[in-house]
Amino acid sequence: EVQLVESGGGSVQPGRSLRLSCAVSGFTFDDYGMHWVRQAPGKGLEWVSGITWNSGSLGYADSVKGRFTISRDNAKNFLYLQMNSLRAEDTALYYCAKDVDDRGSYYGGMDVWGQGTTVTVSS
Amino acid sequence: QSVLAQPPSASGTPGQRVAVSCSGASSNIGSNTVYWYQQFPGTAPRLLIHSNNQRPSGVPDRFSGSKSGTSASLAISGLQSEDEADYYCSTWDDSLNAWVFGGGTQLTVL
Repeated sequence: EVQLVESGGGSVQPGRSLRLSCAVSGFTFDDYGMHWVRQAPGKGLEWVSGITWNSGSLGYADSVKGRFTISRDNAKNFLYLQMNSLRAEDTALYYCAKDVDDRGSYYGGMDVWGQGTTVTVSS
Repeated sequence: QSVLAQPPSASGTPGQRVAVSCSGASSNIGSNTVYWYQQFPGTAPRLLIHSNNQRPSGVPDRFSGSKSGTSASLAISGLQSEDEADYYCSTWDDSLNAWVFGGGTQLTVL
């Protein structure tokens, strides 16, 4: 069974940092690109970042570019999101998601999602 | 303001057919395949349709997707009370170099 389990969320002050983790199991991790998607309270879905199977290509939403960094450890089956210079508008439930395409890109869409980890940015 | 436009709400009675629209542009829907997600309150999204009209295994054939030009549509036939959820469309945007989502449509089964 494919499983994605996020962790690392919490409550932080504006300007501080957090690192989210996503532990994956049930599929060959290094065959697939991965994504982070967030959902602010009561709002819709927003794609945050994507990464190819070998970390060769990274993508970011304009809203997080320069502040967030996506990475992965294929040996440990983990996906990460380093979030710096956090703002109130980054408050959301953060999901990691597996890409549909087994060719390793992040252009295939998201087929399996974790349950999310909550990030709250407030003074 | 979402890149893809969806009606905020839709409704139907049990057994009815309802459709949810998703409007975009040449840089997104016009050039790339569309995905649809279903989300119940407090749960993660679930992939409902990929590649415009393909259902993953386990998704009932009551759900179907279509695309024409810069618009897409999700149709649900034989509406059931358990279909009451939020529905999101999504696709890649070549101009933004990012995945974009619609604002979501809250479906109510009357």
